[in-house]
Amino acid sequence: KAGVTQTPRYLIKTRGQQVTLSCSPISGHRSVSWYQQTPGQGLQFLFEYFSETQRNKGNFPGRFSGRQFSNSRSEMNVSTLELGDSALYLCASSLFTKNTGELFFGEGSRLTVL
Amino acid sequence: KNQVEQSPQSLIILEGKNCTLQCNYTVSPFSNLRWYKQDTGRGPVSLTIMTFSENTKSNGRYTATLDADTKQSSLHITASQLSDSASYICVVSAEETGANNLFFGTGTRLTVIP
Repeated sequence: KAGVTQTPRYLIKTRGQQVTLSCSPISGHRSVSWYQQTPGQGLQFLFEYFSETQRNKGNFPGRFSGRQFSNSRSEMNVSTLELGDSALYLCASSLFTKNTGELFFGEGSRLTVL
Repeated sequence: KNQVEQSPQSLIILEGKNCTLQCNYTVSPFSNLRWYKQDTGRGPVSLTIMTFSENTKSNGRYTATLDADTKQSSLHITASQLSDSASYICVVSAEETGANNLFFGTGTRLTVIP
């Protein structure tokens, strides 16, 4: 059974640019949640999608957005990048929504903003 | 305020020794508590999930305990191996509130040396 796949694994952007990250969940999982991880803040919840609908949202500015497709694959977008957006972005898939089931994390996308 | 605090922040032990990591939380109403292991540059991997009624749960050389009265959990690692070097993250889930209900500790960085 394939795990959670995130692409790209590494990317470098400059301030003001935008970036799109992709996450393919485990087959059969309909929930995809996104997290930002930085050395100082640890893991912080961005948002969760279940059956193409955003079910939960963390405390991040509107520059962070996401969507989920009918095949449960999800993308997140960060517009007008800032230096502070440099982080490891993790997605996790689950059978159930609202974090009630076990979360399976991908390897992450490491974003560096210069 | 819902918070999860882990101690120590970092720990160095000799291979073959045991160690215990601590997690204190103020999350309410409590749903479950999870321990994750995260190798450097990788996504977190679930070790255990414990509900209110579970006091102890083991996964190989990892044993988690939960005291729901004092809102404390510990992760005990027996006969440590070099491969145990990683960050260990405690995550507490609150009952459905209609908002984000996962609260993350900032992790304990464990280094096992030969």
